[in-house]
Amino acid sequence: QVQLQESGPGLVKPSDTLSLTCDVSDYSITSSYWWGWIRQPPGKGLEWIGYISYSGSTFYNPSLKSRVTMSIDTSKNHFSLKLTSVTAVDTAVYYCARKDRGHWYFDLWGRGALVTVSS
Amino acid sequence: DIVLTQSPGTLSLSPGERATLSCRASQSVSSNYLVWYQHKPGQAPRLLIYGASSRATGVPDRFSGSGSGTDFTLTISRLQPEDFAVYYCQQYGNSPYTFGQGTELEIK
Repeated sequence: QVQLQESGPGLVKPSDTLSLTCDVSDYSITSSYWWGWIRQPPGKGLEWIGYISYSGSTFYNPSLKSRVTMSIDTSKNHFSLKLTSVTAVDTAVYYCARKDRGHWYFDLWGRGALVTVSS
Repeated sequence: DIVLTQSPGTLSLSPGERATLSCRASQSVSSNYLVWYQHKPGQAPRLLIYGASSRATGVPDRFSGSGSGTDFTLTISRLQPEDFAVYYCQQYGNSPYTFGQGTELEIK
């Protein structure tokens, strides 16, 4: 069955770039579907970050658009998130997920990865 | 942005009881494009309901969604021990696609 697994540094310094990767198993990410990222700061609600398509098209949350870049690596069957100029408010559990074929919700999620922004 | 307010924040019930969770939107959700997720600690969130009332694949029929416009409800007819978790609603009708803050369903 299709599984998603986030990976990346658990600690990032303020003003640096947060980088995470989502490995997709048992499915080729270039076959179809869009893929995305969501985050949840400690004690707070979920926030949609954005989507990337199997062909590399992107769709970002306007509130984060200026700092977010998503990419897809077909050779490694994974997709990635970069968030620049991070501050403490970017501390969160970051989830990768698969978007439903027809609509803008997520039908499959990873377990999440905690990223702490601290010096 | 559409703000989703879930209530109650915490719901304490016993197995076998009926749970009713509310999700209220600050403005009408386009085409009733609302989903419900279940999230247990350390696990991936799980899609339960899409389109306000359609069950996702493999979801038991004790879970049902209803509502339209600005008021939506997730009902769990007879709680099983594995149903105790946090439940989130999300609207996907208007970008940015926003989530509610969650309802924690705990064992009484």
